[in-house]
Amino acid sequence: GAGVSQSPSNKVTEKGKDVELRCDPISGHTALYWYRQRLGQGLEFLIYFQGNSAPDKSGLPSDRFSAERTGESVSTLTIQRTQQEDSAVYLCASSLASFGGEQFFGPGTRLTVL
Amino acid sequence: AQKITQTQPGMFVQEKEAVTLDCTYDTSDQSYGLFWYKQPSSGEMIFLIYQGSYDEQNATEGRYSLNFQKARKSANLVISASQLGDSAMYFCAMRPYTGGFKTIFGAGTRLFVKA
Repeated sequence: GAGVSQSPSNKVTEKGKDVELRCDPISGHTALYWYRQRLGQGLEFLIYFQGNSAPDKSGLPSDRFSAERTGESVSTLTIQRTQQEDSAVYLCASSLASFGGEQFFGPGTRLTVL
Repeated sequence: AQKITQTQPGMFVQEKEAVTLDCTYDTSDQSYGLFWYKQPSSGEMIFLIYQGSYDEQNATEGRYSLNFQKARKSANLVISASQLGDSAMYFCAMRPYTGGFKTIFGAGTRLFVKA
């Protein structure tokens, strides 16, 4: 596709349930990032993948959060036992393996935990 | 610690005037990249401009320019000739070289352009 896609666009779940969020990066982009954006706030780094290197998981807020990436393609962010404070927009971005490379963002997944 | 600070939660500017959005950063890295992104009310993130720490010239992209003052660790965004469509959230971000591709974002500044 032409841009980064994310699914679902909206997800409403009950507290305690697990959710999976999907990101399809731009083809050829070896770097992929996940961010969380709470309402009215900035972007909070969660994790990034770069090629076959070990991912940088330093931003994951708890062990309920995990992410995987298959090669240089699709990534899945999983949140287990969701809590109300997990409610946010989850943004995925991808970029070329270039230090100055801009990140191209997807439209985000709005997660609401009831 | 790596940190981005945007001290202006909200700014107003008159249409056709210039506006400066402040950004300061903190890093012990000598090599780093600085970015500005725009987020309209639709929620999409739009890349505006990039400045490398070793770039001698301030970056410019159309009506956007980055006032880079390395000694002061500031990377202010200047928007010239503001337009109504410039009303949005603006985020400053930093990528320290030793962080790989990890990118740290500031809290953002909401810009309101008045007709």
